[in-house]
Amino acid sequence: QKEVEQDPGPLSVPEGAIVSLNCTYSNSAFQYFMWYRQYSRKGPELLMYTYSSGNKEDGRFTAQVDKSSKYISLFIRDSQPSDSATYLCAMSSSGSARQLTFGSGTQLTVLP
Amino acid sequence: GAVVSQHPSRVICKSGTSVKIECRSLDFQATTMFWYRQFPKKSLMLMATSNEGSKATYEQGVEKDKFLINHASLTLSTLTVTSAHPEDSSFYICSASRGRHNEQFFGPGTRLTVL
Repeated sequence: QKEVEQDPGPLSVPEGAIVSLNCTYSNSAFQYFMWYRQYSRKGPELLMYTYSSGNKEDGRFTAQVDKSSKYISLFIRDSQPSDSATYLCAMSSSGSARQLTFGSGTQLTVLP
Repeated sequence: GAVVSQHPSRVICKSGTSVKIECRSLDFQATTMFWYRQFPKKSLMLMATSNEGSKATYEQGVEKDKFLINHASLTLSTLTVTSAHPEDSSFYICSASRGRHNEQFFGPGTRLTVL
């Protein structure tokens, strides 16, 4: 079993739809949870960063962490064609040199 | 803030040659830098972790003599692929960490093609 599981998609939605992306994990030591967006042939871009459980909102993006269920989500409201990318969840445990464990990424296409 | 650059963005080389890739944190000092490799439509695979002035820590299965990492300063790390072969062709991405929680910020990646 992988430490982090993420549905690879691909996921296609119409413009304006609400998108829900999810990851599950098995390592209860994970404390830091991140979502990255990666456009084709580019490096990942940090979208959301959450410490421990709870919700965090930034514009059209909302990240949720449920540590009791070992489940994290990213919601994208009013999705735009420019949101078309691969979304990677990542997480790490406490430590001085944090190494990230990534999900496999979900490829999202928002159709105009 | 938190901009990480990589150079070159793309390199094509002949088999047997060595290639150096630079990773720079442009507007912050990075406590730690990381090197990843990514295959098409796959997630990132951590190759090594490096701290300024000390030897890099390599992940299991990564040949340290083939992938030489030098972390000369708090803003610069280099990855040298020595005696490159076609199977080394890949997308190499670095990241630099900063801040209280050591968030990682990624460079734009370097596409290496070995003929």
